Amino acid sequence: DAKTTQPPSMDCAEGRAANLPCNHSTISGNEYVYWYRQIHSQGPQYIIHGLKNNETNEMASLIITEDRKSSTLILPHATLRDTAVYYCIVRSRGPSGSNYKLTFGKGTLLTVNP
Amino acid sequence: GAVVSQHPSWVICKSGTSVKIECRSLDFQATTMFWYRQFPKQSLMLMATSNEGSKATYEQGVEKDKFLINHASLTLSTLTVTSAHPEDSSFYICSAGRTSVSTDTQYFGPGTRLTVL
Repeated sequence: DAKTTQPPSMDCAEGRAANLPCNHSTISGNEYVYWYRQIHSQGPQYIIHGLKNNETNEMASLIITEDRKSSTLILPHATLRDTAVYYCIVRSRGPSGSNYKLTFGKGTLLTVNP
Repeated sequence: GAVVSQHPSWVICKSGTSVKIECRSLDFQATTMFWYRQFPKQSLMLMATSNEGSKATYEQGVEKDKFLINHASLTLSTLTVTSAHPEDSSFYICSAGRTSVSTDTQYFGPGTRLTVL
């Protein structure tokens, strides 16, 4: 799976949009971009994933560049409860268990300030 | 939907004892379950992958005789830390994956904090 690069930390004001970048310049054609977040002392929470089109759900939006070498996770109206470590993970899909592996990097610590 | 539970949420044990951690997918059948370990201020590290009805696949450096994994059904996997020592103290997290036509997202449990005295 391709390696990802994320800034170690970011700050955001409560109520504003939080834009979290991720570089994945070696991504291949069958690899998806997944975003998870981990609030302190909890298990990771799935946020969103995408292949090449932009995606939106009730939690966030995912913008993937046309060349797929980078993406941005957008939390439209950040709240204090969104303070967490956000992980951008690239992995291929497949029917077998071995292709499910998620390799976690260090992620981005997003701190939402009042 | 897609809820994964773990039990216990925390456990304290004496050195040399064994500890069993359960991971359950509550509202879906998990063809594959994963066990991760996370030390303080570090990221999650995959320990092993288990498929229902077959032996687990361990990552390099993880002792299979120390970390016993059983995946007896599509909703339950267990991790047993045998002869635990203080260096095994960590946050253990399981995840469950399902395969459908449109998604094969992995969902995580809340984690189990193990402290070995």
